[in-house]
Amino acid sequence: AQKITQTQPGMFVQEKEAVTLDCTYDTSDPSYGLFWYKQPSSGEMIFLIYQGSYDQQNATEGRYSLNFQKARKSANLVISASQLGDSAMYFCAMRGLSGTYKYIFGTGTRLKVLA
Amino acid sequence: NAGVTQTPKFQVLKTGQSMTLQCAQDMNHEYMSWYRQDPGMGLRLIHYSVGAGITDQGEVPNGYNVSRSTTEDFPLRLLSAAPSQTSVYFCASRPGLGATNEKLFFGSGTQLSVL
Repeated sequence: AQKITQTQPGMFVQEKEAVTLDCTYDTSDPSYGLFWYKQPSSGEMIFLIYQGSYDQQNATEGRYSLNFQKARKSANLVISASQLGDSAMYFCAMRGLSGTYKYIFGTGTRLKVLA
Repeated sequence: NAGVTQTPKFQVLKTGQSMTLQCAQDMNHEYMSWYRQDPGMGLRLIHYSVGAGITDQGEVPNGYNVSRSTTEDFPLRLLSAAPSQTSVYFCASRPGLGATNEKLFFGSGTQLSVL
């Protein structure tokens, strides 16, 4: 079975500071993909970043980076230089790459950026 | 670019009524799926399809039916709505398993209330 755990229901960060959102996962698949999505108050799901378990380097997309620690089974999202527009709900997700199409999502972390 | 289109955006039902949530994508994606989002529970997979004529159950399939007669459309049917089905429903799609793009493309969501 696969499982995603996000232990931080809510977080605050000062504008222009960096913030790390935690995500741990559990899977028996030898290869898998890890994702982060952002959901602003408007409700849409916005793809942020993807990391394959086989990738040698941590993924980065602009101000977003994924701190992938395979041995610890963690895939934390780091947002650098936080902006007010980063205030949103953030979801970590995973898909085992052995053939199943089932994407599993965590319960989310609500981030509030303070001016 | 339309992407993934969900209709309606809002719906109120009475207990026992039936309805269909529509989902259409114009990206020729083989994979389509339905999720429900409830407070504190993240997104949970209801049903998914890997191509026309092929569907399978996710984590929370009870009370929902799906079919996939075309590549473009993946409707979700509630046969007899219950208050426990009050939720926000998301449709998502992606290219087939052979594609390197693992990203899920989401619709804008349907907010359903069952009274």
